[in-house]
Amino acid sequence: KAGVTQTPRYLIKTRGQQVTLSCSPISGHRSVSWYQQTPGQGLQFLFEYFSETQRNKGNFPGRFSGRQFSNSRSEMNVSTLELGDSALYLCASSRTGAGGDTIYFGEGSWLTVV
Amino acid sequence: AQSVAQPEDQVNVAEGNPLTVKCTYSVSGNPYLFWYVQYPNRGLQFLLKYITGDNLVKGSYGFEAEFNKSQTSFHLKKPSALVSDSALYFCAVRGTYSGAGSYQLTFGKGTKLSVIP
Repeated sequence: KAGVTQTPRYLIKTRGQQVTLSCSPISGHRSVSWYQQTPGQGLQFLFEYFSETQRNKGNFPGRFSGRQFSNSRSEMNVSTLELGDSALYLCASSRTGAGGDTIYFGEGSWLTVV
Repeated sequence: AQSVAQPEDQVNVAEGNPLTVKCTYSVSGNPYLFWYVQYPNRGLQFLLKYITGDNLVKGSYGFEAEFNKSQTSFHLKKPSALVSDSALYFCAVRGTYSGAGSYQLTFGKGTKLSVIP
């Protein structure tokens, strides 16, 4: 059974540009969530999608957005990139997102903003 | 609000010795507790979780964790450490209902485990 797949794995962008990251969840999983990981802030929740609807959002500016498609695949977008957006972006999926549901993570997308 | 504390930034243990990585939590509802491991330049790998029932939970790679409700702790343990266990370990909690069927997962800061040969 394939795991959570994230593309691209590595990318370098210039300040002011925008970026789109893609995530394919485990087959049958309908909840997809995104996290930002940095050395200083650790793992921070960005948002969660279920059945194409955003049902939870972390404390990030509006430059961070996402969406989920009917096949549960998800994308996140960061516009007007800042140097501080350099981070590992992790996508995770679970069956329903319920409390005891196990969340499985992808390998992440490493974003460097120069 | 829910939170997780991992009081040790780093834990060093000799190979073959038992290891413990500490975690305490705060949550308003019933806690669902998780441990993940992260190797360098990799994503997070699920180790084990506590939902309900037996306070001792067994997981992958010989790891186990003990849930203690009175102390609000969920420490990760392994009887005999391997050099290959060296990695970053994250404790996480879910419990607070965020609405619309969503239970947000909150992570601790992580503990770097170094197993010395």
